[in-house]
Amino acid sequence: EPEVTQTPSHQVTQMGQEVILRCVPISNHLYFYWYRQILGQKVEFLVSFYNNEISEKSEIFDDQFSVERPDGSNFTLKIRSTKLEDSAMYFCASSLGLAEETQYFGPGTRLLVL
Amino acid sequence: AQSVTQLDSQVPVFEEAPVELRCNYSSSVSVYLFWYVQYPNQGLQLLLKYLSGSTLVKGINGFEAEFNKSQTSFHLRKPSVHISDTAEYFCAVILNQAGTALIFGKGTTLSVSS
Repeated sequence: EPEVTQTPSHQVTQMGQEVILRCVPISNHLYFYWYRQILGQKVEFLVSFYNNEISEKSEIFDDQFSVERPDGSNFTLKIRSTKLEDSAMYFCASSLGLAEETQYFGPGTRLLVL
Repeated sequence: AQSVTQLDSQVPVFEEAPVELRCNYSSSVSVYLFWYVQYPNQGLQLLLKYLSGSTLVKGINGFEAEFNKSQTSFHLRKPSVHISDTAEYFCAVILNQAGTALIFGKGTTLSVSS
């Protein structure tokens, strides 16, 4: 069964450093997403991406964040200058379409900012 | 804006007992409703979803949920749980008109013991 994969599974970085989280969505999916979950809190939507453009973004997704689909398979989330409060589990997801279409989630990347 | 409230943060039950995980939502527009499950060290997996039609929705692993529009609820039930059902369960909504952002509740930890 096809699945969403994410690398790395864990990343530790120093405050102010740039990090890139990588995802390989399911191959025939058209919509891609990033969510995050700070320890003990809700899973929060960050951004959705379709046709090489951001479809929707939350207020969390500020200028420090960017997304890219650099090739036909990868989908990345870049945090330009990490802050302590960026420490969280980051989930990538993909879907065939909007709304009623199931979003399939990857296993997550645990980011720790020191 | 939409919001989701999961009324129980932890639900301990014995094996073979029935269980209900409660979810209420708030939205000024129509939404689709979802339940996801997260097993340890894994991504979120769809259990079931309500889009329209019959208010009783059956999902994987013997789970079902009932949509109640008047009470704005979408409670998840299973008549007899197994040890393997121990996991985190998330209720979520999405706008049914071109929505891309899943809005999650805080999650309920179901702990099944023998």
